[in-house]
Amino acid sequence: GNSVTQMEGPVTLSEEAFLTINCTYTATGYPSLFWYVQYPGEGLQLLLKATKADDKGSNKGFEATYRKETTSFHLEKGSVQVSDSAVYFCALLPSGNTPLVFGKGTRLSVIA
Amino acid sequence: DGGITQSPKYLFRKEGQNVTLSCEQNLNHDAMYWYRQDPGQGLRLIYYSQIVNDFQKGDIAEGYSVSREKKESFPLTVTSAQKNPTAFYLCASSIVGQGAKIAAHYGYTFGSGTRLTVV
Repeated sequence: GNSVTQMEGPVTLSEEAFLTINCTYTATGYPSLFWYVQYPGEGLQLLLKATKADDKGSNKGFEATYRKETTSFHLEKGSVQVSDSAVYFCALLPSGNTPLVFGKGTRLSVIA
Repeated sequence: DGGITQSPKYLFRKEGQNVTLSCEQNLNHDAMYWYRQDPGQGLRLIYYSQIVNDFQKGDIAEGYSVSREKKESFPLTVTSAQKNPTAFYLCASSIVGQGAKIAAHYGYTFGSGTRLTVV
């Protein structure tokens, strides 16, 4: 079946530190991959996406590369800010017409 | 501006009571989804609908019901059969058609959620 595994949090970093949140997936066919972000009390917002192998998604300083050989889509940011504090979800969209599958989420706290 | 509206933001349910959560979108999206969010569990799919008057069960459909009488509306009823309904409920919508790549290109749009508490 389709599944997403992401590193458990919480992750606590100082401002301007480097961020990596690991995400690996299991899927048949050729899924698309996403990172969503959830700020406190809100719904999810699309952060970035990649629809095929070796694609790099990027937005607001965040990046993730679709690695088919390692079935991974790790999220990175070179210098985090306090405003990046949120919960981050890795998700995959299977190659059929079935819904998004989410990981369990990783809570990030950035302290000044 | 187009978007998804969920209401109410907070909802309290008594034991044995059915409650209905509203989800309306004006994005002209074909598909709509309900997810449940619990701490440490991520998002789990309850029901989804890709066309009016049709819907499919997700991973945790027991104790829930839905309807899709209009393209823009996908209400979720939490019935008394749902023994542990306290959670954050998220509605989403997406484009469907020409395969999953269309949905992948635009992603899902989420509402701001309804927090349901049993009292």
